[in-house]
Amino acid sequence: EAQVTQNPRYLITVTGKKLTVTCSQNMNHEYMSWYRQDPGLGLRQIYYSMNVEVTDKGDVPEGYKVSRKEKRNFPLILESPSPNQTSLYFCASSFADRDYEQYFGPGTRLTVT
Amino acid sequence: KQEVTQIPAALSVPEGENLVLNCSFTDSAIYNLQWFRQDPGKGLTSLLLIQSSQREQTSGRLNASLDKSSGRSTLYIAASQPGDSATYLCAVKRGYNQGGKLIFGQGTELSVKP
Repeated sequence: EAQVTQNPRYLITVTGKKLTVTCSQNMNHEYMSWYRQDPGLGLRQIYYSMNVEVTDKGDVPEGYKVSRKEKRNFPLILESPSPNQTSLYFCASSFADRDYEQYFGPGTRLTVT
Repeated sequence: KQEVTQIPAALSVPEGENLVLNCSFTDSAIYNLQWFRQDPGKGLTSLLLIQSSQREQTSGRLNASLDKSSGRSTLYIAASQPGDSATYLCAVKRGYNQGGKLIFGQGTELSVKP
């Protein structure tokens, strides 16, 4: 089954404790992105990757890191999480063509206390 | 700067009604528009994708239209059912840059009463 998977689905952590949210897709997509969803602000892109070893900042990159060492994986790293990073996070992927739709993972709900 | 607006923010209808959700965008230079469904606390499920050259797309009881020149799209749901209750999001894609970034509206929260 074609899908985007994320782990963990739920995470509660404390300020400053480094964490990684994994994302994997099995559709051989070139493009991958991370979004966060917040009430009143909607979905905003954090980072994106156009292909292996090619990553760049989206609209709200502060406090996050990413890497793309393999085509299928695109982990999101929070080196020192803060309470303002409490949010619902989505990973998305698509083919590198404007005509293709984007597929989203099930989401990771992160709470930073 | 592209902005996407969805009206209404919330909608409650009795089961069986036909309904229309609206999406507007400020910059008509888009490649495509995608409608999603989001259930509470869940991920986004893609419903329909309309390319910039298309006027509409249909899937079952759903029909999405696109008028790029006026910056509008509508999602028509026929014979609504309680299972259609969810938040509906529209998103536009500007191009190849930024990994095909989607710009989302705030969503319309739909409640279909039995």
